[in-house]
Order: sequence, then structure tokens, then C-alpha cells
Amino acid sequence: GQSLEQPSEVTAVEGAIVQINCTYQTSGFYGLSWYQQHDGGAPTFLSYNGLDGLEETGRFSSFLSRSDSYGYLLLQELQMKDSASYFCAVRGADSGNTPLVFGKGTRLSVIA
Amino acid sequence: DAGVTQSPTHLIKTRGQQVTLRCSPKSGHDTVSWYQQALGQGPQFIFQYYEEEERQRGNFPDRFSGHQYPNYSSELNVNALLLGDSALYLCASSLKGFWGQGNEQFFGPGTRLTVL
Repeated sequence: GQSLEQPSEVTAVEGAIVQINCTYQTSGFYGLSWYQQHDGGAPTFLSYNGLDGLEETGRFSSFLSRSDSYGYLLLQELQMKDSASYFCAVRGADSGNTPLVFGKGTRLSVIA
Repeated sequence: DAGVTQSPTHLIKTRGQQVTLRCSPKSGHDTVSWYQQALGQGPQFIFQYYEEEERQRGNFPDRFSGHQYPNYSSELNVNALLLGDSALYLCASSLKGFWGQGNEQFFGPGTRLTVL
């Protein structure tokens, strides 16, 4: 089976940088994804790492180390609208069409 | 271009009843996955439909069943409802065989099911 661990809550100040870590255990691995979900909303895709290293998309970056079974999401220049839950998710098998397994989510609160 | 749509938005049922939830995938997508999200938890995979067949299934009892139509829309049926079935039910669509950005899934707004 697969399991993911991420902090349950993080609080950060507007304009600052925050890092949300994710460690995973899977029988196979086909990439780590990150999703954002605002209260009452649908999860929306943020980023994907299939290989080791850093992927940057605007203010958001995501990192993966397959040897450490570890990744993180980095949010820069935090804005109030970034307050949301952030989920890491993996595909545990060797196919891009296998279902996503989600972590329990990290609730980010951005304060003034 | 319409995204993923789901209906109804909210639903209240009593124990033992049956419910049907509906989903229309994003235009151009052919694969629909259903997830259950309990309060404060991450989405949990129920099953996935492609070419009108259930292709993969998560750890859910057979009270949970589904269907996919030729136009790719899908239904989730839950029989003999239990209190523990209260959750947000999310539908996600994707394009099978697309290996690009991790086969990104597009989620609908969900159906909030309350079982009393």
C-alpha cells in the first residue's frame, strides 16, 4: 500500500516563504503531485515531480528526492488567498493512469 | 470550455437509503475517477471508469457502484447508506494515456452528502 505524511497545520506571515514537507511510502512510484483546496472548493492541481529536483511555477515550487521518499512544496511571497489546504499525492504503481493516493493535507493559514 | 460539473451540490439522506451522484467530465477528457473526502482528510479513491468500464477500485465495499456513459459522464451509486458515508464526493476527470504533467486530474466542486 501507500502512505503519505505531511504536517497537519502551518501558519505563516503574509509576504513570507513557507515549506510544506511530504514523506511517502509506496510499493512503486510514479511521481509526486501537489493539490490546493480552499474551504468548500475542489482540489486544484499545483505541480508534479516525476524526477528528482525542483520544479518552479510562479510563486510555487516543488521538490522531489526519490532516494529519500521526500518532497516539499515551497510557497513564496505568501498572500492571504494562499490560505488553504495543501495535499501531496502519489501514484504508487508504474503507470501514469493509476489512481492518486492523497495525504491528509496541510492546512496553511496566512496571517497579516 | 466547461470544467468538471457535479450534481447535486448537496444531498441529505437517511440511513438505509440509496443515492446517485452525477458527474460530467471536462471537455475532451475520457476518464472519470470518484473520490470520497471526509472532513479534515484527503480525498480517498473509490473507483475509476474508462470506456464505460470500471478499471480500478479502491478499498470500498460493493455498496459503492458506478457507471460511465458513452458521452463519458458518470454516476456514483451508494446503496444502504450508513452514517459514515457522510462526506464530500469528488469527481475528477483526466485523459487516459496522457503522460504529460503527471496526468493531472481536474476535480469538480463535489457533492456534499449528509446521512442522518
